[in-house]
Amino acid sequence: GQNIDQPTEMTATEGAIVQINCTYQTSGFNGLFWYQQHAGEAPTFLSYNVLDGLEEKGRFSSFLSRSKGYSYLLLKELQMKDSASYLCAVMDSNYQLIWGAGTKLIIKP
Amino acid sequence: IAGITQAPTSQILAAGRRMTLRCTQDMRHNAMYWYRQDLGLGLRLIHYSNTAGTTGKGEVPDGYSVSRANTDDFPLTLASAVPSQTSVYFCASSDSEATTEQFFGPGTRLTVL
Repeated sequence: GQNIDQPTEMTATEGAIVQINCTYQTSGFNGLFWYQQHAGEAPTFLSYNVLDGLEEKGRFSSFLSRSKGYSYLLLKELQMKDSASYLCAVMDSNYQLIWGAGTKLIIKP
Repeated sequence: IAGITQAPTSQILAAGRRMTLRCTQDMRHNAMYWYRQDLGLGLRLIHYSNTAGTTGKGEVPDGYSVSRANTDDFPLTLASAVPSQTSVYFCASSDSEATTEQFFGPGTRLTVL
């Protein structure tokens, strides 16, 4: 079966750095996505990785290792507005997104 | 309209009733999707459409139907609602099925009693 695993909840301090991990087992691979979802709102796109390595976009970076079925999202200089759920998703061989349950990130002052 | 809209925002429905959730996008995207989101679970794909006139089944299609008469609209119908269909429903669209980003509507919170 297809499976995406990520921690249920993480806590971090404002101004710090946090790494959210995601491991996956899917039938085929056409890229890995990270989305941000604030409570009560729709998911919004953060990043996309299809090749191994690190993609950096401002305070957010995303890393992929296809051989290990592993990705992480790195958030630097945390701000209170970063409190949200972070969703990992993999596009399978049918070009459908398989979603993890999300990691709720709590930022403390 | 800017982006993708859904209606209604929320609805309480008696079991056995028929309900249609509406979704409209103005980005001229070819692909559209319906997901449900339940606590503790990831988004699950109900149905999708890669282009106007075609639809496909996702992971959890039972009890739901869709149509795609034109590019902009992708309604989701519950023929006879059951309590297990209580969920938050998100419509999304993308330029194509293989594109890198899906854009989501604001969601419909549906409660079936």
